Amino acid sequence: SQQGEEDPQALSIQEGENATMNCSYKTSINNLQWYRQNSGRGLVHLILIRSNEREKHSGRLRVTLDTSKKSSSLLITASRAADTASYFCASTRGSGGGADGLTFGKGTHLIIQP
Amino acid sequence: GAVVSQHPSRVICKSGTSVKIECRSLDFQATTMFWYRQFPKQSLMLMATSNEGSKATYEQGVEKDKFLINHASLTLSTLTVTSAHPEDSSFYICSARDMGVENIQYFGAGTRLSVL
Repeated sequence: SQQGEEDPQALSIQEGENATMNCSYKTSINNLQWYRQNSGRGLVHLILIRSNEREKHSGRLRVTLDTSKKSSSLLITASRAADTASYFCASTRGSGGGADGLTFGKGTHLIIQP
Repeated sequence: GAVVSQHPSRVICKSGTSVKIECRSLDFQATTMFWYRQFPKQSLMLMATSNEGSKATYEQGVEKDKFLINHASLTLSTLTVTSAHPEDSSFYICSARDMGVENIQYFGAGTRLSVL
């Protein structure tokens, strides 16, 4: 079942601007991940944030996690045309010790206008 | 990073036929692989967890006799859509978890199935 809700569902910005996407989830998590999917392709892992972390950076990506609000945000700074894709948050169910399938949010379709 | 290969990328078949999709981990061993389904403009839904050497674990609502999963080796899992019907048309994506990394999954490029 889908437990993540992303907003906005679609976002169009100019190249060079920052893009912020939000994700909410319903159950407790061990970690939260963000993935990117280019049209009609598989997913690429971007960043993982553990439940005991509040913020994490990786290159132009910044992710935050608020477990009290069960929400996360992904910020892409200085956007490029190549960032055009769909972005999904995903969480791991269960105790996290085993190999659990991911539960994905509905995704944000990001379009970067050149 | 780890590479997962999925084949075929696209298949068109007649209603009633069976289609097999392969998922291979190319540079690592995967005791567990996952199969997801994605409808147009929607998110991914976990269908089943494929375990090497044992039976797959199916999510609620997924027919195990419809979607046969075999994980015969540490690098290969297959999904067979049996007696396919038009409503089975979808994008199927597999993933594998590199055991050395915290449940980060590596995805195949997906298979677009169209049943006529």
